[in-house]
Amino acid sequence: GAVVSQHPSWVICKSGTSVKIECRSLDFQATTMFWYRQFPKQSLMLMATSNEGSKATYEQGVEKDKFLINHASLTLSTLTVTSAHPEDSSFYICSARPTSGRDNEQFFGPGTRLTVL
Amino acid sequence: DAKTTQPPSMDCAEGRAANLPCNHSTISGNEYVYWYRQIHSQGPQYIIHGLKNNETNEMASLIITEDRKSSTLILPHATLRDTAVYYCIVTSYGNKLVFGAGTILRVKS
Repeated sequence: GAVVSQHPSWVICKSGTSVKIECRSLDFQATTMFWYRQFPKQSLMLMATSNEGSKATYEQGVEKDKFLINHASLTLSTLTVTSAHPEDSSFYICSARPTSGRDNEQFFGPGTRLTVL
Repeated sequence: DAKTTQPPSMDCAEGRAANLPCNHSTISGNEYVYWYRQIHSQGPQYIIHGLKNNETNEMASLIITEDRKSSTLILPHATLRDTAVYYCIVTSYGNKLVFGAGTILRVKS
């Protein structure tokens, strides 16, 4: 149980295009999902908190107009990187907190590697 | 959230217990200690968490000192597949997880 999937697992795109990444909780409902970014040899950096049915909360320094987050259902959150540039190349990871979970467990997806040419 | 301090790296022999320490001297009463690990190029994996009592599950044991200022994650019989970055995170219920640098555990045969 507690499986989170991400799609795609990797994507290569041209500079200036937009890329959408999906995060799904497969066997549980998640009112809250989180989006992280990880650069090589660095730790995970929280980008935003996504709440079902409401606007996402972005961390300081993360551009909300560049990283669009939609959490339209209890099992799906999407991150769209708009007008991607090479500096947006990174490993994007989502996590989901079960609505009925105990304490503060979060379950992570396998990540999406974005390469912008 | 309370700040945590972990050694940057540790080595462990395969089959032996791996003991990963974490200092969190500024932890407050309502904050939990969480452990996650990340194997190369994968998403983090939840291991265990606790508030004040020691905890054990099928993956590991978590020992929290009585004053709660430090804790130790124990992998009882480390295997090569346990090689990963281990993160100790302290946060209160419902709050976000903030990842530090973690400890790189290398299990060697």
